[in-house]
Amino acid sequence: EVQLVESGGGLVQPGRSLRLSCAASGFTFDDYAMHWVRQAPGKGLEWVSGISWNSGSIGYADSVKGRFTISRDNAKNSLYLQMNSLRAEDTALYYCAKDHYGDPRWYFDLWGRGTLVTVSS
Amino acid sequence: SYELTQPPSVSVSPGQTARITCSGDALPKQYAYWYQQKPGQAPVLVIYKDSERPSGIPERFSGSSSGTTVTLTISGVQAEDEADYYCQSADSSGTMGVFGGGTKLTVL
Repeated sequence: EVQLVESGGGLVQPGRSLRLSCAASGFTFDDYAMHWVRQAPGKGLEWVSGISWNSGSIGYADSVKGRFTISRDNAKNSLYLQMNSLRAEDTALYYCAKDHYGDPRWYFDLWGRGTLVTVSS
Repeated sequence: SYELTQPPSVSVSPGQTARITCSGDALPKQYAYWYQQKPGQAPVLVIYKDSERPSGIPERFSGSSSGTTVTLTISGVQAEDEADYYCQSADSSGTMGVFGGGTKLTVL
């Protein structure tokens, strides 16, 4: 089955770190760029970060630049998001999304169900 | 930072046509994509590259582009189409993704 499954979310205090994972299955993971997209409770979608098939091209939204790091392990069919210096405004459901191409083209044809991150003291 | 602008809400009666617009300065240079999101569910792609429809998406969904505005049109709206709709594209350099604020489609 073609799917993405996120994990690693939870409750974390402001200023602390958290690492999200996304396990891919049912397709050739290392052929495609991958992205993280988040959605704060009751709010819209926000693109967070994207990475090309070979990690050669990486981008971040201004809101997370310098605090979040995206990475992938093609041998493990996995995508990661290291989140440092977390803030209350980072509270959101974090989705993993597959791009249709190997380089980021902003064409998300497969989404996971998301993992919830809550930043609160 | 670059923004895409959508109306917060659109309301139509069943069987009518719904049109949802999305405006952004880079849209003449970058493709637009449309996603449907129902409560408690992940987004689903309904239009890609401005006007192409993925397999499995009903023919009543269509997309168009004119200058700095793209439009999602749903013809013969059905109750099941009630959802939030998001346009998505990239900035002019193609290095940063962006979503519109979303439009809540209400079927009266």
